[in-house]
Amino acid sequence: NAGVMQNPRHLVRRRGQEARLRCSPVKGHSHVYWYRQLPEEGLKFMVYLQKENIIDESGMPKERFSAEFPKEGPSILRIQQVVRGDSAAYFCASSPRGLIYNEQFFGPGTRLTVL
Amino acid sequence: DQQVKQNSPSLSVQEGRISILNCDYTNSMFDYFLWYKKYPAEGPTFLISISSIKDKNEDGRFTVFLNKSAKHLSLHIVPSQPGDSAVYFCAAAGSGNTGKLIFGQGTTLQVKP
Repeated sequence: NAGVMQNPRHLVRRRGQEARLRCSPVKGHSHVYWYRQLPEEGLKFMVYLQKENIIDESGMPKERFSAEFPKEGPSILRIQQVVRGDSAAYFCASSPRGLIYNEQFFGPGTRLTVL
Repeated sequence: DQQVKQNSPSLSVQEGRISILNCDYTNSMFDYFLWYKKYPAEGPTFLISISSIKDKNEDGRFTVFLNKSAKHLSLHIVPSQPGDSAVYFCAAAGSGNTGKLIFGQGTTLQVKP
């Protein structure tokens, strides 16, 4: 999975602050997926984006969470007014095409801790 | 609603023996299944996959079996090596028009030397 970059790797926020998580996909990949892993659980799908478009956001909480994948630059997952329950590992994956499942390459994740 | 389940949180085997990791699913619309391996502080790494039109796929020491009637798949690792010690996730896809994956909770495999 070389090439998928996520930063920061660790992020600490106090309740009520904003968290911004960045994902730079593998060069040439135009599809990005965000997943969240709560402690002792598997990864849960949040959102699927192509360049400048949200394709599937069925896993995104209705409030406080948003994602974008601009024409230039990394994909951003933004969490406003964080709460302790947002503490988790957030992984992004990229792929060169959609619907080719075994071509999703995962980044190392951002571990968010909300105090 | 846990559509993909790995009921064994952990598994310990001796080096050289077979490791069998199990996964059950409930959604008959899933048509593609994958296994990922994950080390601490790293992202999941794709291991092996299988399409629903097959019942077996093999890649070196790793074999995945799919039993559609039972909605069950398993990953066999033979022979197991200490470097295989990691968390293994099964994932399913195909229930929608996007590439999203539905993951199980994971099984921690420990291979003892």
